[in-house]
Amino acid sequence: ELKVEQNPLFLSMQEGKNYTIYCNYSTTSDRLYWYRQDPGKSLESLFVLLSNGAVKQEGRLMASLDTKARLSTLHITAAVHDLSATYFCAVQGGSEKLVFGKGTKLTVNP
Amino acid sequence: SAVISQKPSRDICQRGTSLTIQCQVDSQVTMMFWYRQQPGQSLTLIATANQGSEATYESGFVIDKFPISRPNLTFSTLTVSNMSPEDSSIYLCSVEWADTFGSGTRLTVV
Repeated sequence: ELKVEQNPLFLSMQEGKNYTIYCNYSTTSDRLYWYRQDPGKSLESLFVLLSNGAVKQEGRLMASLDTKARLSTLHITAAVHDLSATYFCAVQGGSEKLVFGKGTKLTVNP
Repeated sequence: SAVISQKPSRDICQRGTSLTIQCQVDSQVTMMFWYRQQPGQSLTLIATANQGSEATYESGFVIDKFPISRPNLTFSTLTVSNMSPEDSSIYLCSVEWADTFGSGTRLTVV
């Protein structure tokens, strides 16, 4: 059974600082997703990572995938308040079903 | 990416009643997925809806409680039946390739 572990669950950062969110999963998968969710909103897709060594960047966020270690990271560079949200990783299992991590609630303080 | 229209966006319902949630996709898709997000929690897959066949339910979810219809390749409904306060959640639909979610239905059962 595919399990996805995400940490930390809560992250309080100062503006301008860097930090990394980790996503470990238990079995081989073809796809890993990162999403952002604002309070009361749906999920917004940030990145889809398909292959070992994949790295994608958008603004202050960079995601990477190591399929051998079954690990993905979401790195935040020079955080700003607008990045405050909950971030989820999700791993595609059999029949294209997604298994989600528990989410990381990020708060960026001035 | 597909665009998914989901409605209603929110509802407050009396216990013992049922609510039907609709998702309309702007393109034909083989698979549609229904998720539940309980307050402060991650997303859990309820079932996979394939056109022309019965939905496949995940462990802990049953058809009598969450009947699903999939009449064509662009539309699906999820009904939450005989509701109790424990059903208060956000319900979301998604499609294969999982880069798009519906806007979500915030259900409160009183």
